[in-house]
Amino acid sequence: AQSVTQLGSHVSVSEGALVLLRCNYSSSVPPYLFWYVQYPNQGLQLLLKYTSAATLVKGINGFEAEFKKSETSFHLTKPSAHMSDAAEYFCAVRQAGGYNKLIFGAGTRLAVHP
Amino acid sequence: DAGITQSPRHKVTETGTPVTLRCHQTENHRYMYWYRQDPGHGLRLIHYSYGVKDTDKGEVSDGYSVSRSKTEDFLLTLESATSSQTSVYFCAAAGQGWTEAFFGQGTRLTVV
Repeated sequence: AQSVTQLGSHVSVSEGALVLLRCNYSSSVPPYLFWYVQYPNQGLQLLLKYTSAATLVKGINGFEAEFKKSETSFHLTKPSAHMSDAAEYFCAVRQAGGYNKLIFGAGTRLAVHP
Repeated sequence: DAGITQSPRHKVTETGTPVTLRCHQTENHRYMYWYRQDPGHGLRLIHYSYGVKDTDKGEVSDGYSVSRSKTEDFLLTLESATSSQTSVYFCAAAGQGWTEAFFGQGTRLTVV
C-alpha cells in the first residue's frame, strides 16, 4: 500500500523567510503526487501536482515542489513567506490501479509571523 | 469546487441515530470518494466508488456505508452515529485517468 509521511505537524516561519514543508512517500509504482492547501474553515485547494512530466513543478501562489525519486520525496517550497500563506498543507499520493485512491499525509500547519 | 456540492454543511445529531450525508457532482466524474478529517490524521478515506453501484471500503470504513445509484450522487450513511464519528467529512470526485481530484466544501458533523 502507498503511504505519505509529512515531517513536522507545525512549522513556523517569519514573513519573508523560506518555506519548506517536507513530504516523503512510499510507492511500488511511479506515483502521482499532490500538494493541497486548506485555509481555515474551507475546503481543499490544489497547489500543484506531479504527474511524471517535469520533476520541478510550479504551482499557485509562488509555491513549487521537486520530485526526487531517489529520496522518495516531494518537498514543498516558497522562497518568501507571506502572511496569507498561513494554512494547513497536505501532501497526497495517488495510488495507481483499480480505483485510483488518493492517500493523504497527516498535514502540516504553517504559521507565518511578522 | 468544480461542481461538487455537499449537504448538509453542518449537522448536529444524537448518538445512535442514523445520518446520511450527500455529495452531488455536476461534471459526470467517474470516481467519487468520502474522507473524514481529524486533527493529526489528515484526511482518511472512508469509502470510494468508480461507477454506479460500484463501491469499496477505505481505511476507516467501520460504521459507515455508501450508495451510488446515480453517477452524480454519492451518499454516506452513518448507520448508528457515535461520538467518535464527530468530524469534518469531505467528498471528492475525479474523472477517468485523473490527474486532479476536486473537493467539496465539507460537512461538519457533531454527534452528541
